[in-house]
Amino acid sequence: EPEVTQTPSHQVTQMGQEVILRCVPISNHLYFYWYRQILGQKVEFLVSFYNNEISEKSEIFDDQFSVERPDGSNFTLKIRSTKLEDSAMYFCASFRQTNEKLFFGSGTQLSVL
Amino acid sequence: DQQVKQNSPSLSVQEGRISILNCDYTNSMFDYFLWYKKYPAEGPTFLISISSIKDKNEDGRFTVFLNKSAKHLSLHIVPSQPGDSAVYFCAATNSGTYKYIFGTGTRLKVLA
Repeated sequence: EPEVTQTPSHQVTQMGQEVILRCVPISNHLYFYWYRQILGQKVEFLVSFYNNEISEKSEIFDDQFSVERPDGSNFTLKIRSTKLEDSAMYFCASFRQTNEKLFFGSGTQLSVL
Repeated sequence: DQQVKQNSPSLSVQEGRISILNCDYTNSMFDYFLWYKKYPAEGPTFLISISSIKDKNEDGRFTVFLNKSAKHLSLHIVPSQPGDSAVYFCAATNSGTYKYIFGTGTRLKVLA
């Protein structure tokens, strides 16, 4: 079965540093997402992306966050100045069209020290 | 605003018995519902889904039931196996928004 690929699997950074989390969605998918899960809590929606623009974002997705699809295959999440509370597992997801299942990557564990 | 709720944080079931995981939602615009299974340090994996035009969908040992009037869905696993031990998330979406909202998860432990 096709896969969503995320790199790196673990990222450790200092507070205030910029991080970029990378994802390669499934090739014929059109809708792309970032979710995060803080340890022991629910999977939270961050942002959805379609047709090269953000279609929806949550209140978590503030000015410190941005997303980009720079080359038609990669989909990145940038956090400009990380905070301790950004420590979480970040999941990229994609799907082809509405009312189809969302495919998730295996996640990037971000630790902000 | 918790639009999708899983009120049981954990559930233990004997191997071979039925596991029933419940999920409630508040948004009557949701028209597609999914269940995902998640192991530690892995991404959620899709299990089964149901459209709002149906009230039941079955796939092997997994059956999802949807009660639209009660805004409730449930996942039945029969028979439960130790490998089913994981966190189960229900998710809901309205096809017009493309946003999938997840519940808080239920940790299922199947005892051998």
